[in-house]
Amino acid sequence: AQSVTQPDIHITVSEGASLELRCNYSYGATPYLFWYVQSPGQGLQLLLKYFSGDTLVQGIKGFEAEFKRSQSSFNLRKPSVHWSDAAEYFCAVGSGNQFYFGTGTSLTVIP
Amino acid sequence: NAGVTQTPKFQVLKTGQSMTLQCAQDMNHEYMSWYRQDPGMGLRLIHYSVGAGITDQGEVPNGYNVSRSTTEDFPLRLLSAAPSQTSVYFCASSYGTGSGGTGELFFGEGSRLTVL
Repeated sequence: AQSVTQPDIHITVSEGASLELRCNYSYGATPYLFWYVQSPGQGLQLLLKYFSGDTLVQGIKGFEAEFKRSQSSFNLRKPSVHWSDAAEYFCAVGSGNQFYFGTGTSLTVIP
Repeated sequence: NAGVTQTPKFQVLKTGQSMTLQCAQDMNHEYMSWYRQDPGMGLRLIHYSVGAGITDQGEVPNGYNVSRSTTEDFPLRLLSAAPSQTSVYFCASSYGTGSGGTGELFFGEGSRLTVL
């Protein structure tokens, strides 16, 4: 069965520091991969997606992610974090007609 | 464009009561789905639909019913609410299905349900 693992439940970074959020998936073929962000009390917003092609994908708000097939990973990165990036981040795999979400990583940004 | 609209945003029920969470999208998306979000568990798929008249179960379907009579609407029914159904519910839609998956999901703002 497909699964998505986000090993970090909570991460704290200082404003201006770099960020990497980890995501590993279990899937037999090349999956459709997504990162979503959720601000408190809000729905989920798509940050970026990978379907095929270039393994480094750019998203909104300065985020990027790299698909590494050999490691079954799709880690999210940002070179310089802003206070407004504080939120919950979810990695997801699309397979057929279903999506599988990780349990999320909560990001705190220290001024 | 309103996108995906969910109502109500908040609801309190007593055990055994029934209710319907409404979801409507104005993007002409074929795919619609319902998730529940619980602390530490991410989002779990309840039911989904790939078009009008077609629905299927997700990971946690028990206690929930759905129907899809139009492309726009995908209501979620709780027939006899239980405290275990206390959660935040999200409706999401997507523009199509493919052999390897759908396009990205567009989410509503969520409905917070408390069952006493």
